[in-house]
Amino acid sequence: AQSVTQPDIHITVSEGASLELRCNYSYGATPYLFWYVQSPGQGLQLLLKYFSGDTLVQGIKGFEAEFKRSQSSFNLRKPSVHWSDAAEYFCAVTGDSWGKFQFGAGTQVVVTP
Amino acid sequence: GAVVSQHPSWVICKSGTSVKIECRSLDFQATTMFWYRQFPKQSLMLMATSNEGSKATYEQGVEKDKFLINHASLTLSTLTVTSAHPEDSSFYICKLNTEAFFGQGTRLTVV
Repeated sequence: AQSVTQPDIHITVSEGASLELRCNYSYGATPYLFWYVQSPGQGLQLLLKYFSGDTLVQGIKGFEAEFKRSQSSFNLRKPSVHWSDAAEYFCAVTGDSWGKFQFGAGTQVVVTP
Repeated sequence: GAVVSQHPSWVICKSGTSVKIECRSLDFQATTMFWYRQFPKQSLMLMATSNEGSKATYEQGVEKDKFLINHASLTLSTLTVTSAHPEDSSFYICKLNTEAFFGQGTRLTVV
């Protein structure tokens, strides 16, 4: 069965500092991987996705993620966070490109001045 | 632009009443749609798969008689929470099977 683990429930980062959110997955075949962001009371916004090809994926809002098959990881990074990046971030995996998604527990990001 | 439109964005209802949530595909003919639920401070969990012209399939632990799903056309799936109770208060969100985008979600509060 597929599963997603986001080890960090909560991360606090200073504005302007770099951010890295961890995501580990378990899936038998090549997974399709996604990162979403959710602001309080809002829906999900797709940041980026990985299907195949270049393992470094660029997304919106200055985010990028790197797929590492050997580590079963798909970590999200941003070189310099802005206060508006404070939100909940979810990693998701599916076995077919647009099918049922399995979500991680989420990581709450707090940005301090 | 948005490919999925979900309505309403939020709803408050009295315990024992029913609430209908719509998920509309704007650009695609969606033979399949997915309904997820997110309880406060929790992650999203798949509730059911909505299939156009046939019965929905429900995930384990989801009551099919309580959460009625209708997918009568290729652009519209509806989720009806019947006889809602406070424990049904949650964020309900839909997704097409053709895109990675989700609807805006519906926050249901049962009082």
